[in-house]
Amino acid sequence: RKEVEQDPGPFNVPEGATVAFNCTYSNSASQSFFWYRQDCRKEPKLLMSVYSSGNEDGRFTAQLNRASQYISLLIRDSKLSDSATYLCVVLTGTASKLTFGTGTRLQVTL
Amino acid sequence: NAGVMQNPRHLVRRRGQEARLRCSPMKGHSHVYWYRQLPEEGLKFMVYLQKENIIDESGMPKERFSAEFPKEGPSILRIQQVVRGDSAAYFCAGAGGSSYNEQFFGPGTRLTVL
Repeated sequence: RKEVEQDPGPFNVPEGATVAFNCTYSNSASQSFFWYRQDCRKEPKLLMSVYSSGNEDGRFTAQLNRASQYISLLIRDSKLSDSATYLCVVLTGTASKLTFGTGTRLQVTL
Repeated sequence: NAGVMQNPRHLVRRRGQEARLRCSPMKGHSHVYWYRQLPEEGLKFMVYLQKENIIDESGMPKERFSAEFPKEGPSILRIQQVVRGDSAAYFCAGAGGSSYNEQFFGPGTRLTVL
């Protein structure tokens, strides 16, 4: 079983749509959780951290369910510029190394 | 404050040659992580270094790969006797200061082994 699992997609949605990504992680000792965005052939960039209480940043909402070991990302009112691969990332252990999911591709179209 | 710098951005090597990848984290960041991304795959942790110390190298292949982060100068990821399977994007990330848990990624080095 992979440490972090995501649906690879691709998700093809029209502009203005709402889209949700899900992620599960296997290590119950994981401490911190993030969503990163990666554009084609570029470095990953932090989109937002994920907290148990849920957090929102503009059109983006992230949720964490520790009991189910489940993380989600909701994007409202999708823009063309949201097209990218979204990486679910978990931080585990004293060395604080990040474990990445393989990513979910999003393509927003006109 | 300059971001994380990596060089070269692209590196082409023939099988059997050595590859040296350099990473300079942001000013004030004393932790460096190296990750490898194979084509069509996710990023995989390789090694975590602090100045002059290797903290965790559990993701490094046992042979041909080494990493260092000297007191002065950039962190170096060294791959000896490269093989085609080493072709990948190598990203480094820096962390430290008040944002200890947040890692800032460099633009990566794309290694192609012919």
